[in-house]
Amino acid sequence: AQSVTQLGSHVSVSEGALVLLRCNYSSSVPPYLFWYVQYPNQGLQLLLKYTTGATLVKGINGFEAEFKKSETSFHLTKPSAHMSDAAEYFCAVSRSSGGYNKLIFGAGTRLAVHP
Amino acid sequence: DVKVTQSSRYLVKRTGEKVFLECVQDMDHENMFWYRQDPGLGLRLIYFSYDVKMKEKGDIPEGYSVSREKKERFSLILESASTNQTSMYLCASSPGGGRARDTGELFFGEGSRLTVL
Repeated sequence: AQSVTQLGSHVSVSEGALVLLRCNYSSSVPPYLFWYVQYPNQGLQLLLKYTTGATLVKGINGFEAEFKKSETSFHLTKPSAHMSDAAEYFCAVSRSSGGYNKLIFGAGTRLAVHP
Repeated sequence: DVKVTQSSRYLVKRTGEKVFLECVQDMDHENMFWYRQDPGLGLRLIYFSYDVKMKEKGDIPEGYSVSREKKERFSLILESASTNQTSMYLCASSPGGGRARDTGELFFGEGSRLTVL
């Protein structure tokens, strides 16, 4: 069964510092992988996704993630944090069931950015 | 701009009340989902629907039911609200059309924060 583990429920960085949010998944088949962002009191917004092809995926707001099959990881990075990046981030893997795909989410990582 | 719209952003209800949470999408998506979100637990799937009048249980269906009478509308019903159903409820949709076409990517509404007193 597919599952997602996000290491660190809270991450704090300084403005301008590297952002690294970790995600490991388990999947018996090549997965579809996603990162979503949630700002306070809002729904989830897609940051980026990996389906096929290039393993380094670029998303919105300067974020990117690399699919590493050997490590079963899909870590999210951004070279330089901005105050507006403070939010909660969710990693998700697609699970096949009954001929359809559904998403399984990690528990989330709350990112704080301080001056 | 394509959207998933949840009718109520904030609700306060009393224990035992019947609660309806409404969700409408304008993307002609086949699949619709209801999740609840609680701190430290991430998103947990309550119910989903792959077609009009069709529904399937997710991981935590107890205490909930759903209705999908039209393709664009998916309602979550709490027959008798309890305090442990205080939570953020998120509706989402995806294109559907089977595994060959649908990666599972979800499009979310803004959420409905329910407090049961």
